[in-house]
Amino acid sequence: GAGVSQSPRYKVAKRGQDVALRCDPISGHVSLFWYQQALGQGPEFLTYFQNEAQLDKSGLPSDRFFAERPEGSVSTLKIQRTQQEDSAVYLCASSLDRGAVGPQHFGDGTRLSIL
Amino acid sequence: DQQVKQNSPSLSVQEGRISILNCDYTNSMFDYFLWYKKYPAEGPTFLISISSIKDKNEDGRFTVFLNKSAKHLSLHIVPSQPGDSAVYFCAASGLLGNSGGGADGLTFGKGTHLIIQP
Repeated sequence: GAGVSQSPRYKVAKRGQDVALRCDPISGHVSLFWYQQALGQGPEFLTYFQNEAQLDKSGLPSDRFFAERPEGSVSTLKIQRTQQEDSAVYLCASSLDRGAVGPQHFGDGTRLSIL
Repeated sequence: DQQVKQNSPSLSVQEGRISILNCDYTNSMFDYFLWYKKYPAEGPTFLISISSIKDKNEDGRFTVFLNKSAKHLSLHIVPSQPGDSAVYFCAASGLLGNSGGGADGLTFGKGTHLIIQP
């Protein structure tokens, strides 16, 4: 497909388990962003990649959150030892331009529920 | 502290009339602004953007106005159509690649739920 693809669409995990969320950006897009969206809120920035380099991880809420984009394409967001407050929709976005200069194109997100 | 504020959680407009969605920001480093539209269970879809060197940008039925001195922007949709019913998010960033707070991503408001009445 031509858009940003995220998998799984829904993930349920027990507190304490590790989870991995995948993002397939639009082909050729340099920039990749991860956001967390809690219910009734706007998306909140987590981390930013320019190709394979993670240039900004200032939004990651704790060291339990880890993201990678090893070949500058697909990205994985990993959350270790999940807690109930991690329940949210995790959105991935990609952009042709470097940084937050041009419009970002979002996937449909992964809804994570921690029991 | 919210740097991007959308003070109306919801707005109801009759079909065919003008919809005006408002957004205020506090961070003077912001110089690039975007509006996104979101349907339930889907990701946000880019609608229109404006940089701080302009005060208006138009694309079909959508126009964004920027008032830098007031740190205020608005999205006008005219005429409003039933398919416009969605949540609209205002977002901001710095053209230098960061939002002034050290983060490279967009800073979003909480959204306004627009309902178009037939």
